[in-house]
Amino acid sequence: QKEVEQNSGPLSVPEGAIASLNCTYSDRVSQSFFWYRQYSGKSPELIMSIYSNGDKEDGRFTAQLNKASQYVSLLIRDSQPSDSATYLCAVRPSDYKLSFGAGTTVTVRA
Amino acid sequence: EAGVAQSPRYKIIEKRQSVAFWCNPISGHATLYWYQQILGQGPKLLIQFQNNGVVDDSQLPKDRFSAERLKGVDSTLKIQPAKLEDSAVYLCASSSSTGGETQYFGPGTRLLVL
Repeated sequence: QKEVEQNSGPLSVPEGAIASLNCTYSDRVSQSFFWYRQYSGKSPELIMSIYSNGDKEDGRFTAQLNKASQYVSLLIRDSQPSDSATYLCAVRPSDYKLSFGAGTTVTVRA
Repeated sequence: EAGVAQSPRYKIIEKRQSVAFWCNPISGHATLYWYQQILGQGPKLLIQFQNNGVVDDSQLPKDRFSAERLKGVDSTLKIQPAKLEDSAVYLCASSSSTGGETQYFGPGTRLLVL
């Protein structure tokens, strides 16, 4: 079983719509959860981190965490063409090592 | 503040050749990471340094990969000999401490092994 799994995509959404990205993880004692955005040919950049159950909002991005279900999600509201990228879910399990999912590619259609 | 620097940005070699990548982390960052990202996959941690000591190298193929961070600042990752399956982007990242939550990534080195 992979440590971090993401819906494979690609995900295509119209401009202005909500993009919903999902991620599940296997290590129940994980404490830190991150979403990175990676544009094609570029390196990952951190866009959201979340540590407690519930929602965390930052601009058009909302991260949701449910530790009981071992599930973390990212919502992108009012999607823009500039949001077209691969979104990587990363989880810090019981040790300090960050584990990444394979990523979900999002395409926002103008 | 300058970001993480890596060189070269691109490298093409033939199998069985050797190659080295260099990384200079953000100034003051004690923790340095090397990741391998194969096309279509997420980054996979190869090795993590805290200052000049190795914290985790459990996923480093030690028969062909080596890494060092002699003075606790910049680092070199070497592959010798390279295999076709080593074709990937090699990402260097740094953070302010081992428990530092935010890792900052460099631009990466794209390696193609022919």
